[in-house]
Amino acid sequence: DQQVKQNSPSLSVQEGRISILNCDYTNSMFDYFLWYKKYPAEGPTFLISISSIKDKNEDGRFTVFLNKSAKHLSLHIVPSQPGDSAVYFCAASDMYGGSQGNLIFGKGTKLSVKP
Amino acid sequence: DGGITQSPKYLFRKEGQNVTLSCEQNLNHDAMYWYRQDPGQGLRLIYYSQIVNDFQKGDIAEGYSVSREKKESFPLTVTSAQKNPTAFYLCASSPGLRVYGYTFGSGTRLTVV
Repeated sequence: DQQVKQNSPSLSVQEGRISILNCDYTNSMFDYFLWYKKYPAEGPTFLISISSIKDKNEDGRFTVFLNKSAKHLSLHIVPSQPGDSAVYFCAASDMYGGSQGNLIFGKGTKLSVKP
Repeated sequence: DGGITQSPKYLFRKEGQNVTLSCEQNLNHDAMYWYRQDPGQGLRLIYYSQIVNDFQKGDIAEGYSVSREKKESFPLTVTSAQKNPTAFYLCASSPGLRVYGYTFGSGTRLTVV
């Protein structure tokens, strides 16, 4: 049973516009959420994270929003650039629950930013 | 520069052979992990280790084995019991099990023919 869901396998956006990547989770015990970016044949790199005590975290062009009541988080990229084209993974963890602190990853969303 | 090194980047093996994937880190991280990526499947945890000489099974440990004899090294053996070994394998490390700054290696693409 998937605990972290990224329901959009792919997303295409025009350069300069906003990219919004979505992630839903089922485990209410998750208390920390992260986004990773992955290029083909490379390892994922950490992008941004958010603790469950916050509802927003910003880092440059990247902002993550957390809606705990809806068990939903989203990553906003503004403005989108062609170099942002990659697969984005949402990940979650719960400190004291079943995942034992390990990260649980979604299946990823492939973002294509067109010039 | 500190980081995680996975070698080789591409690996081919005949069906029925065991193969060991290397993972070395010089970040002085206590925790290390092995993930498998298949198309459309995201990242699935195979094994993890919190400390030297200790490791735990992840979600898909069947057909795999690991060792953690040194802090820097966490090799993964794909045994002949693994039914679908062809995949992209990723090693990661973090300062501790509940510290979330995972650093990933660049991965090993294993193809079994």
